[in-house]
Amino acid sequence: DTAVSQTPKYLVTQMGNDKSIKCEQNLGHDTMYWYKQDSKKFLKIMFSYNNKELIINETVPNRFSPKSPDKAHLNLHINSLELGDSAVYFCASSLNTDAYGYTFGSGTRLTVV
Amino acid sequence: DQQVKQNSPSLSVQEGRISILNCDYTNSMFDYFLWYKKYPAEGPTFLISISSIKDKNEDGRFTVFLNKSAKHLSLHIVPSQPGDSAVYFCAAAVNQAGTALIFGKGTTLSVSS
Repeated sequence: DTAVSQTPKYLVTQMGNDKSIKCEQNLGHDTMYWYKQDSKKFLKIMFSYNNKELIINETVPNRFSPKSPDKAHLNLHINSLELGDSAVYFCASSLNTDAYGYTFGSGTRLTVV
Repeated sequence: DQQVKQNSPSLSVQEGRISILNCDYTNSMFDYFLWYKKYPAEGPTFLISISSIKDKNEDGRFTVFLNKSAKHLSLHIVPSQPGDSAVYFCAAAVNQAGTALIFGKGTTLSVSS
């Protein structure tokens, strides 16, 4: 049973479209994260939610909007997709808000054409 | 600005020998350091961590060394095995609520038999 699951695994879409990536964790963790791995291979924090409350919001374009309907889910909606949004997006969760023990999903490879 | 740097993008080692992966950081506030391992098409998985109050932590074949004065840590794998071939990410954090792990770019380790 997958601990942190992301859907879809691959997403190819045209510029200007709106798309969503879903993430669910069954670990009972309180905190969830979105990371972006760009072409330079950096894993960069985008957002973090703790019990449905936004606690980290890095300098990400406001076309990116996270939504956490409950503490087990953190979805990422992206409006007006641009070529530069092409990347692998990883969801992660941790028991609480400190730095221990992140569990990552397997990633969503987004390609904007 | 990169706060966590892995200056070697790749490392090749023969099976049975020692693998040494290096990581440097710039933020003196970091007090918790982790190594993650990543296989293709999977998310990073936690490998080993070290708190800033220690200078060494061992777990089986894996040992992490921390040199705070040099702002440097290293991961030693002894003996290296072909299954260790993966991308290794160094990560660091200020271990308090509301922070997130900061990752390096990763080092690709190839262990040949």
